[in-house]
Amino acid sequence: DMKVTQMPRYLIKRMGENVLLECGQDMSHETMYWYRQDPGLGLQLIYISYDVDSNSEGDIPKGYRVSRKKREHFSLILDSAKTNQTSVYFCASSLSLGGGNTLYFGAGTRLSVL
Amino acid sequence: QQQVRQSPQSLTVWEGETAILNCSYENSAFDYFPWYQQFPGEGPALLISILSVSDKKEDGRFTIFFNKREKKLSLHIADSQPGDSATYFCAARGGVTSGGNYKPTFGKGTSLVVHP
Repeated sequence: DMKVTQMPRYLIKRMGENVLLECGQDMSHETMYWYRQDPGLGLQLIYISYDVDSNSEGDIPKGYRVSRKKREHFSLILDSAKTNQTSVYFCASSLSLGGGNTLYFGAGTRLSVL
Repeated sequence: QQQVRQSPQSLTVWEGETAILNCSYENSAFDYFPWYQQFPGEGPALLISILSVSDKKEDGRFTIFFNKREKKLSLHIADSQPGDSATYFCAARGGVTSGGNYKPTFGKGTSLVVHP
């Protein structure tokens, strides 16, 4: 079953707290992504991971960091969260190296930073 | 820097009509264009895609028309149904991150509402 799983689905944090968003995939995909989605702004790429410990900044990496220690697992970390990081975060994976071809998305994590 | 543009931002049609969603791009290196469909509360999912060597791709009620010379493509949804109400993203393969790595490039989406 081809699936991208995100945990948690909903999260409320206070400003200044640390946040860990987790993502797993069961397709052995090399490439994984973190996006955030805000109304009117579409999907904004935060980070790409091309394989274990091979991560690259996307378009809006400031305030975020990532960790990929296993091919099937990709984490997004917010150190000292800010209110403007309130958003819906999507993880995705794809088969090919280089960020092309079909992306498979998780159901998203809705993060509120108060 | 937005390299894939979508219009309109929102579109309302009646059931049975053909919805037309537009997409344009700037980078001649883009060679593959997937369209993703996103329902509220869910992640986007691939709907249909086209390679730049083709000018048309059909899948049931969904058709992509592609004009390479003008760098434009459109998604036509024939006989629109209320269940087609969703946000549609046009994407392109061939973008590059600031670090020089390839990435997919997404438009900002078109929100489609189909009234019964």
